[in-house]
Amino acid sequence: DAGVIQSPRHEVTEMGQEVTLRCKPISGHNSLFWYRQTMMRGLELLIYFNNNVPIDDSGMPEDRFSAKMPNASFSTLKIQPSEPRDSAVYFCASSDDSAIQNTEAFFGQGTRLTVV
Amino acid sequence: AQSVTQLDSHVSVSEGTPVLLRCNYSSSYSPSLFWYVQHPNKGLQLLLKYTSAATLVKGINGFEAEFKKSETSFHLTKPSAHMSDAAEYFCVVSNDYKLSFGAGTTVTVRA
Repeated sequence: DAGVIQSPRHEVTEMGQEVTLRCKPISGHNSLFWYRQTMMRGLELLIYFNNNVPIDDSGMPEDRFSAKMPNASFSTLKIQPSEPRDSAVYFCASSDDSAIQNTEAFFGQGTRLTVV
Repeated sequence: AQSVTQLDSHVSVSEGTPVLLRCNYSSSYSPSLFWYVQHPNKGLQLLLKYTSAATLVKGINGFEAEFKKSETSFHLTKPSAHMSDAAEYFCVVSNDYKLSFGAGTTVTVRA
């Protein structure tokens, strides 16, 4: 398996524009996570899906952020409108057990988002 | 509630010398613990994990960690550092689905 695949790897956009980040989890994994990494706050969980259903979105910063998982092999994280403070590296991760205890998460390479 | 404290934000070692990265955790339940490594501009890679089978856990690239319940610690060690070990290391605790990351320890290796 190619691992968790994220696209794009880098995104530069202007403030106010819509940004869509994409993730393809590892085939067979039933849990998917979106994380954000910044210098100030480290790694933060934004949202967790299990079997394509959002289970915990308490980490989503505000209404400008939304995430979908239309099927087991694809998820998107959308920011609309984007703001400079959204600049960060966004990671997607997947695992093969809804109870992640004893099961590690596999991370994608990340999308580096810069909002100017 | 669960949390992780990495006691050192930065560790600098000479090539060939031991590496010690310290981690203390807090968890209401019997936790699973992980160490991840992140090389510059890369994703996170699992080094090793503790899942209650054995207190001394061996991972990839010569790393190992020891779970000490009495000290609530899960320190990461390597007997001999290599230049390729320069990276950021994260201690992680999980209960259920949530991973709680430490702030990270940046390791630099001097030639």
